[in-house]
Amino acid sequence: QVQLQESGPGLVKPSETLSLTCTVSGGSISSYYWSWIRQPAGKGLEWIGRIYTSGSTNYNPSLKSRVTMSVDTSKNQFSLKLSSVTAADTAVYYCARVGYYVSSGYSYFDCWGQGTLVTVSS
Amino acid sequence: QTVVTQEPSFSVSPGGTVTLTCGLSSGSVSTSYYPSWYQQTPGQAPRTLIYSTNTRSSGVPDRFSGSILGNKAALTITGAQADDESDYYCVLYMGGGILVFGGGTKLTVL
Repeated sequence: QVQLQESGPGLVKPSETLSLTCTVSGGSISSYYWSWIRQPAGKGLEWIGRIYTSGSTNYNPSLKSRVTMSVDTSKNQFSLKLSSVTAADTAVYYCARVGYYVSSGYSYFDCWGQGTLVTVSS
Repeated sequence: QTVVTQEPSFSVSPGGTVTLTCGLSSGSVSTSYYPSWYQQTPGQAPRTLIYSTNTRSSGVPDRFSGSILGNKAALTITGAQADDESDYYCVLYMGGGILVFGGGTKLTVL
């Protein structure tokens, strides 16, 4: 059973870069898309982007200018960098696997990490 | 920019049936958007319920079902139970690798 675990600093200063890593265990990271999703306190979920194990990416257009995702298949990890953060980036950040279904391709999330809270504050 | 719309809140009586919907600010939702549905209780990660419009995720009871109703995707809960009280989110695939969450529906069972 695949499990995902987010890790990274819980506190980031404004204007700096938020960096998180998701470690995949219980299965290979290969041949899937992997996503980051965030949720500010009391608000809804927001898709940040996804990365394939080849390194191909798709980002939320509203965040695209600040987001970089990468993957390290040797470590079974993928990562998120979000630059120039402000208080509005304070949220619980989830990593998730993008599931594949024959009739719909890679179009939904089938495994989730537990989430990690990142606070942007000086 | 297209917005994915959901009812902000809904209530259902225990044992009752409720249908939550997922629409677009412009246009109609079809199976080509591959709608998926997620359940989230406070402090927990989301749980996948439905994908590709109407396929139940492993372990999801059959009282949860997905469909297209009119111009929206729909999640129907039949025989609602107290532990169905949660937030429910839909996701639509917009093409080009882009996925968009709806704003979520807070379901109360009372």
